[in-house]
Amino acid sequence: DVQLLESGGTLAQPGGSLRLSCSGSGFTFSNFAFHWVRQAPGKGLEWVAGLSGSGETRYYADSVRGRFTISRDNSKNTVFLQLNDLRAEDTAVYYCVKSTGVTLVLMVYAGDYFDYWGQGTLVTVYS
Amino acid sequence: QSVLTQPPSVSAAPGQTVTISCSGTSSTIGENYVSWFQKVPGRAPKLLIYDHNKRPSGIPDRFSGSKSVTTATLAITGLQTGDEADYYCATWDSSSAVVFGGGTKLTVL
Repeated sequence: DVQLLESGGTLAQPGGSLRLSCSGSGFTFSNFAFHWVRQAPGKGLEWVAGLSGSGETRYYADSVRGRFTISRDNSKNTVFLQLNDLRAEDTAVYYCVKSTGVTLVLMVYAGDYFDYWGQGTLVTVYS
Repeated sequence: QSVLTQPPSVSAAPGQTVTISCSGTSSTIGENYVSWFQKVPGRAPKLLIYDHNKRPSGIPDRFSGSKSVTTATLAITGLQTGDEADYYCATWDSSSAVVFGGGTKLTVL
């Protein structure tokens, strides 16, 4: 069975840093792109960042570009999200999401979509 | 403000049918596929529909999706109290990557 397990969420101060991890099992990790999606308290889902299976292509939402970095270690079946220069508006549950394909582009071609979500990890930025 | 527009809330009685719309543009829904997700508080989002109208295994056929021009629609028939949740549509935007609708809260009366 496919399993995704996030970790690393915690309390942080504005301007601080965190690294989230997402460990995957039950599939060939390097064959799939991964994304991070977050949900702030009382808000909707917001796509944050994506990384291709090879780790060569990255996309970021405007709200996090320059502050967050997505990366992966295929030898450890893990994808990371480095959060720097944290702001109060970064407070959210962060979900690791697997896609069905190796490239970053989703929902442009049939068969490329988000198929599995982790349970999420909570990041709280407070002063 | 979300790139995709959904009604904030919908409601219906058990056993009835409800539809949730997701309005986009020619460069989002107009030329890309749509997925729908169910989000229950405290739980991870669950994929309901992909490629406009396909269901993953395990999703009952009470859930269906469709698309017309720049609007996608999720229909839920035979409503059950367990269907109470927030529902989100998503697609690709060439300038923003993945975009979600603002979400629709379904209340089963």
